[in-house]
Amino acid sequence: EIVLTQSPGTLSLSPGERATLSCRASQSVSSSYLAWYQQKPGQAPRLLIYGASSRATGIPDRFSGSGSGTDFTLTISRLEPEDFAVYYCQVVTFGPGTKVDIK
Amino acid sequence: QVQLQESGPGLVKPSETLSLTCAVSGYSISSGYYWGWIRQPPGKGLEWIGSIYHSGSTYYNPSLKSRVTISVDTSKNQFSLKLSSVTAADTAVYYCARSSITMVRGVIFGRFDPWGQGTLVTVSS
Repeated sequence: EIVLTQSPGTLSLSPGERATLSCRASQSVSSSYLAWYQQKPGQAPRLLIYGASSRATGIPDRFSGSGSGTDFTLTISRLEPEDFAVYYCQVVTFGPGTKVDIK
Repeated sequence: QVQLQESGPGLVKPSETLSLTCAVSGYSISSGYYWGWIRQPPGKGLEWIGSIYHSGSTYYNPSLKSRVTISVDTSKNQFSLKLSSVTAADTAVYYCARSSITMVRGVIFGRFDPWGQGTLVTVSS
């Protein structure tokens, strides 16, 4: 089983700032299989990124994904108020999540 | 568009079997994709439970495999989850989702989109 680690656990930023979230896998993963989700309180997760760097339907271009092997990154170029949420990386198991909250 | 809706009892007694159904609309299960279940204990992270193809082929999380059964009813365009011998640790919001699942050299990979809204199941006497 592949174990995913995410860092930081919490990221405190202001609207307009850039967010960089990290996901590390316990073994090398084909980038085809790495996905990112956003979850807001009381809501189901929403697929943001699949194949490490492809945006899902309807996802704004301020969200981007990159990486390969064991290290992957989700970047939010300029945080909007609606972006403050928890973000999970996933291959089928999920990482523990990174909470992006308002500074 | 594809929509999924979970249903089932919100309260289950310890040692009993949790049963949930996911009704799919806007897409025929028989057209393809795997269909899966994911859960989230209150205040915690996400755990994949398992996924099923319309043919009945399944993949399960090894940590839950001994207690899980996922089945599909293509005539009703729905799929179901049974989790046996539940304890308080099985208290969670249970989500259903359309899945893309593949196995590469014995390792399961997949992603989930879209998701149902989720249903809270509490295990308590």
